[in-house]
Amino acid sequence: GAGVSQSPSNKVTEKGKDVELRCDPISGHTALYWYRQRLGQGLEFLIYFQGNSAPDKSGLPSDRFSAERTGESVSTLTIQRTQQEDSAVYLCASGNRVNQPQHFGDGTRLSIL
Amino acid sequence: QQQVKQSPQSLIVQKGGISIINCAYENTAFDYFPWYQQFPGKGPALLIAIRPDVSEKKEGRFTISFNKSAKQFSLHIMDSQPGDSATYFCAARENTGKLIFGQGTTLQVKP
Repeated sequence: GAGVSQSPSNKVTEKGKDVELRCDPISGHTALYWYRQRLGQGLEFLIYFQGNSAPDKSGLPSDRFSAERTGESVSTLTIQRTQQEDSAVYLCASGNRVNQPQHFGDGTRLSIL
Repeated sequence: QQQVKQSPQSLIVQKGGISIINCAYENTAFDYFPWYQQFPGKGPALLIAIRPDVSEKKEGRFTISFNKSAKQFSLHIMDSQPGDSATYFCAARENTGKLIFGQGTTLQVKP
């Protein structure tokens, strides 16, 4: 399959631990987005990468959240010192260009105990 | 600050009926309005989308109606089927590509 791949699919960790979530976008897609979906809620934008431009980090909720992207390939979202309110599904999407439709992965379900 | 408001939160429709979900937005700079369908445990999948210079778009049983002056748009699902039972999200796109999502509507189509 050539879709967006996210790993792990589920992650359970203790409060205070750091977690790293991975996204493999569709090959050739230059735009990559991270969203957070809390239970029963819509998706909240976190960060986006477009080619070699500086990422738009305007949606990151705190400095505990950071993300990186290697060229136009894999991206990792890191949450440091996790809190219970970080429990959510973290979704990654990629697009051919900024103005092209975004295709989503199935997300990582993060549970903080 | 909720830029895209979606209603209803939940909807129950009989098989064969019409499902209607409404969204309203505030930012006139949005340039693209997609609807996503999400099944439990899956990521959202693009269903249908419209640009603001078009008042209606139809793809099979799915139709978007767009009212630019009222800053409202809606999804109509004709001949609703049990397989359409899912959560539907409207969204609006900024020129950066960032999507602003509505809160979602859980649709249940009863056989």
